[in-house]
Amino acid sequence: GQQLNQSPQSMFIQEGEDVSMNCTSSSIFNTWLWYKQDPGEGPVLLIALYKAGELTSNGRLTAQFGITRKDSFLNISASIPSDVGIYFCAGASSSYDKVIFGPGTSLSVIP
Amino acid sequence: SAVISQKPSRDICQRGTSLTIQCQVDSQVTMMFWYRQQPGQSLTLIATANQGSEATYESGFVIDKFPISRPNLTFSTLTVSNMSPEDSSIYLCSVEATDSVATEAFFGQGTRLTVV
Repeated sequence: GQQLNQSPQSMFIQEGEDVSMNCTSSSIFNTWLWYKQDPGEGPVLLIALYKAGELTSNGRLTAQFGITRKDSFLNISASIPSDVGIYFCAGASSSYDKVIFGPGTSLSVIP
Repeated sequence: SAVISQKPSRDICQRGTSLTIQCQVDSQVTMMFWYRQQPGQSLTLIATANQGSEATYESGFVIDKFPISRPNLTFSTLTVSNMSPEDSSIYLCSVEATDSVATEAFFGQGTRLTVV
């Protein structure tokens, strides 16, 4: 079945540093979604990508939809303590009407 | 985006009992889903809640264990039946907004279930 891989699995960074994480798949998706989950909360949608090559920003967050439609990355610039959480990528395709989630990247920010 | 409310937000239950989780959406939606998130894990789809018909379950999940109701386009319930400690997880309701070019999924805050 369809499966997503995320890397790295976890990250420990200093406050103010930039962060980069990515997501890959063996299948093609026509939508890529990035979520952040805080402890005890449901995932919150950060960025949605709809076209191959698309680069979209949301504040300090930037995400790109890979040209092959099999990958995406998320960058966070100038990290702050509230960026701590688990970041999930997710993909959806017209041939499969469910959203598939990656295993997540756990981000820790050291003040 | 849709506003999704789940109740209860958390519960501690005795093994062998059942818990029903409610999901209310502030607008009519076609697609509603229930996910399970085990400790430290990603989200696993349990089933699609279909309005007016039986839910569609993913591999590994069965109706007897996770009965689902979807009486209308804004409400659904998930019951976790005959609970065991292995059922301790976060259960999440989700709705999808989709058109010909885009799909976005939105989540409730989740129900944190602990079975003792």
